[in-house]
Amino acid sequence: KQEVTQIPAALSVPEGENLVLNCSFTDSAIYNLQWFRQDPGKGLTSLLLIQSSQREQTSGRLNASLDKSSGRSTLYIAASQPGDSATYLCAVNSNQAGTALIFGKGTTLSVSS
Amino acid sequence: SAVISQKPSRDICQRGTSLTIQCQVDSQVTMMFWYRQQPGQSLTLIATANQGSEATYESGFVIDKFPISRPNLTFSTLTVSNMSPEDSSIYLCSVARGTGFNEQFFGPGTRLTVL
Repeated sequence: KQEVTQIPAALSVPEGENLVLNCSFTDSAIYNLQWFRQDPGKGLTSLLLIQSSQREQTSGRLNASLDKSSGRSTLYIAASQPGDSATYLCAVNSNQAGTALIFGKGTTLSVSS
Repeated sequence: SAVISQKPSRDICQRGTSLTIQCQVDSQVTMMFWYRQQPGQSLTLIATANQGSEATYESGFVIDKFPISRPNLTFSTLTVSNMSPEDSSIYLCSVARGTGFNEQFFGPGTRLTVL
């Protein structure tokens, strides 16, 4: 059974710092991996999608990497801003497209000005 | 991407009653999913709702408690029946889109509190 773990559970940084959020999964046979952002009491916003054949994806200040063989992904946030404060969720899609996602518990990020 | 709306955005309900949550998508999609997020927890899949077939429920979720309708390719409903305080959660619908239905997009969620 696939399990997704995110470390750390919470992180507080001053504005401007570069930071790394970690995600690990137990079964390397994944189809893809998605990173989401969730603001308090809100739905999820898709940040980056990495296919199983890819090593990384970039969008603006965000860079996500994938090492499928070791069951790890990282989300790198450059030059953090207070507006980045949210919970970041990692989710894997096992086996095939269109199947449900398996989520980690998330990392709650707080960026102070 | 996908534009997904949910109604209601939040509700406070009494124990023993039922609530129906609506999910509307801006264009046709084959696959829709319903998730639950309990306080302080991550998302857990309730069921997969594909148009033209019965919803497929995950272990621990049953149709009598969470009946789902999928009348067309842009709309679905989830009913939370005979509610108890343990049903207090955020309920989210999502759709699979993109090449090979690869990427998933979520609605804004429905925050349910059961007293």
